[in-house]
Amino acid sequence: DQQVKQNSPSLSVQEGRISILNCDYTNSMFDYFLWYKKYPAEGPTFLISISSIKDKNEDGRFTVFLNKSAKHLSLHIVPSQPGDSAVYFCAARSGGGSNYKLTFGKGTLLTVNP
Amino acid sequence: DAMVIQNPRYQVTQFGKPVTLSCSQTLNHNVMYWYQQKSSQAPKLLFHYYDKDFNNEADTPDNFQSRRPNTSFCFLDIRSPGLGDAAMYLCATSRDHQGPGTDTQYFGPGTRLTVL
Repeated sequence: DQQVKQNSPSLSVQEGRISILNCDYTNSMFDYFLWYKKYPAEGPTFLISISSIKDKNEDGRFTVFLNKSAKHLSLHIVPSQPGDSAVYFCAARSGGGSNYKLTFGKGTLLTVNP
Repeated sequence: DAMVIQNPRYQVTQFGKPVTLSCSQTLNHNVMYWYQQKSSQAPKLLFHYYDKDFNNEADTPDNFQSRRPNTSFCFLDIRSPGLGDAAMYLCATSRDHQGPGTDTQYFGPGTRLTVL
């Protein structure tokens, strides 16, 4: 039972264009959403996050949008650069107190072509 | 540089032979996590420590155990590895659980376990 779904295993875009990575979730109790980026042979690194009380968060070239009614979030990268080529994981937080946990999606491999 | 270190990066063991994976951190974070990631799958949380308090996920097999002897180190013990336990094992840390920012997780590079 996948609570966080990334339905596109891969995405290929041209340098300079927009990359849009999508994520859907099923658990209404998720209160915080994060995107992680993973290069080969490295662990995932935190990229950007959004609270469930917001609908947009922006950090430089990266913007995350949250549509709570649709249980959908997306990561926009503008403009895309070859160095952005990596696997992107969507994650959602649940729990409370000393027992928060993240539930991850399977990831989307982004390839940015020069 | 402050970081999360996992040793070894690659581990080969035999079916049924106990194996221990190691994680250390120089971030002085309170929370340490172990994830299992199989090929093309999402990282799956096995358990985590909040300081010395151990929190096991309900669906983590008994075959998987963990120890945290001090703030810096955390170990994953697989008592009798089966072929299905072959995976990437990721260790992560977070400063705390007190809300956004404090619970951002920092990952190590992972240990790839092969079971023969």
